[in-house]
Amino acid sequence: GDSVTQMEGPVTLSEEAFLTINCTYTATGYPSLFWYVQYPGEGLQLLLKATKADDKGSNKGFEATYRKETTSFHLEKGSVQVSDSAVYFCALRGGATNKLIFGTGTLLAVQP
Amino acid sequence: GAGVSQSPRYKVTKRGQDVALRCDPISGHVSLYWYRQALGQGPEFLTYFNYEAQQDKSGLPNDRFSAERPEGSISTLTIQRTEQRDSAMYRCASSPREGTGELFFGEGSRLTVL
Repeated sequence: GDSVTQMEGPVTLSEEAFLTINCTYTATGYPSLFWYVQYPGEGLQLLLKATKADDKGSNKGFEATYRKETTSFHLEKGSVQVSDSAVYFCALRGGATNKLIFGTGTLLAVQP
Repeated sequence: GAGVSQSPRYKVTKRGQDVALRCDPISGHVSLYWYRQALGQGPEFLTYFNYEAQQDKSGLPNDRFSAERPEGSISTLTIQRTEQRDSAMYRCASSPREGTGELFFGEGSRLTVL
């Protein structure tokens, strides 16, 4: 079945460092891909999405490119801030279903 | 309020009791989803509705779990004869349109079964 695998955390960075959180997926057909973020004490929020191969999703300085050849959707940010500390979830919606399948989440801790 | 509202936020119950968790989605949102999230894990799909119709219940673990959305707005997830393994965060999400994957999540209901 469809699945998402993302790198385990925690990821600890200093402010202004470069961030990469890896995400790979397994799916039949042509899924849509998402990154959701969960700040402490809050519900999950959509961060960005891409619906077809080579699309780049971007928001709040974060970017991810839908790579069909490597079945990946890695999250990147050039310069992280303390306020980016949160849990990040990669997710997919398969072509034949309307349900989102989430990865296990990656905790990011940014230190000043 | 403007967001997805879930109640109760915290529920402690004894094994064998029934519990009902409520979700009030964003007004006008067509789709409503229920997820379960264990500590340190990602949300696990349970079921979803478009309007009042339950479209997919493949994620419900067993027949003790059921959900309804009778008027296409508020939804209730019911767990009968609770067991300790049912302890988790139960999250509701709504979406303005079917099939976009763009979900708006509530803050969740934390269920603890003693």
